[in-house]
Amino acid sequence: SALTQPPSASGSPGQSVTISCTGTSSDVGGYNFVSWYQQHPGKAPKLMIYEVSKRPSGVPDRFSGSKSGNTASLTVSGLQADDEADYYCSSNAGSNNLAFGGGTKLTVL
Amino acid sequence: QVQLQESGPGLVKPSETLSLTCTVSGGSINNYYWSWIRQPPGKGLEWIGYIYYRGSTNYNPSLKSRVTISVDTSKNQFSLKLTSVTAADTAVYYCARGVGTLGYWGQGTLVTVSS
Repeated sequence: SALTQPPSASGSPGQSVTISCTGTSSDVGGYNFVSWYQQHPGKAPKLMIYEVSKRPSGVPDRFSGSKSGNTASLTVSGLQADDEADYYCSSNAGSNNLAFGGGTKLTVL
Repeated sequence: QVQLQESGPGLVKPSETLSLTCTVSGGSINNYYWSWIRQPPGKGLEWIGYIYYRGSTNYNPSLKSRVTISVDTSKNQFSLKLTSVTAADTAVYYCARGVGTLGYWGQGTLVTVSS
């Protein structure tokens, strides 16, 4: 994948977990167009964060995004059972192309 | 509430053309970008390409030689054609609104490439 994510992450209910998304100066580092998607099994992805740190209406403020250099991060605070899902980052990758990360499976212990 | 629905054959033979349509309801196709994304079974998301309602397109370089995305504003639909398919093209295909910010997604449709 063009963007690198850890394959797995985990945390206990109530805790916080951060998922990273590492690219290059040609994608993550070069644009403020990083998005994060949540995907439950058998379902379509759902937009959770866009333009690095903005939350769509209806997404809890427990979800937050940030970026430093070529690495973007998604932090989920106050973990809940329903947060268990796959999470994907995406970024503009130059020439109006889009790149996705390989996905991170978040387990709530 | 904007809704997207993919439709098309669930089984395509190797070397043939995969054709899917995405119907947009609850809103106009005008003034937006529209994308196709796919996800092979058990794997991650792959961007295929997008189209602006006026017809301009951009495709994933790795698929560009085989992909065509078109739009029919009169029907509030946009379509995907992928030629010369192989088993590697077996995936759930999603349509979505937007490019970098994909705010609305269809439910996805599984397309299997097999003889």
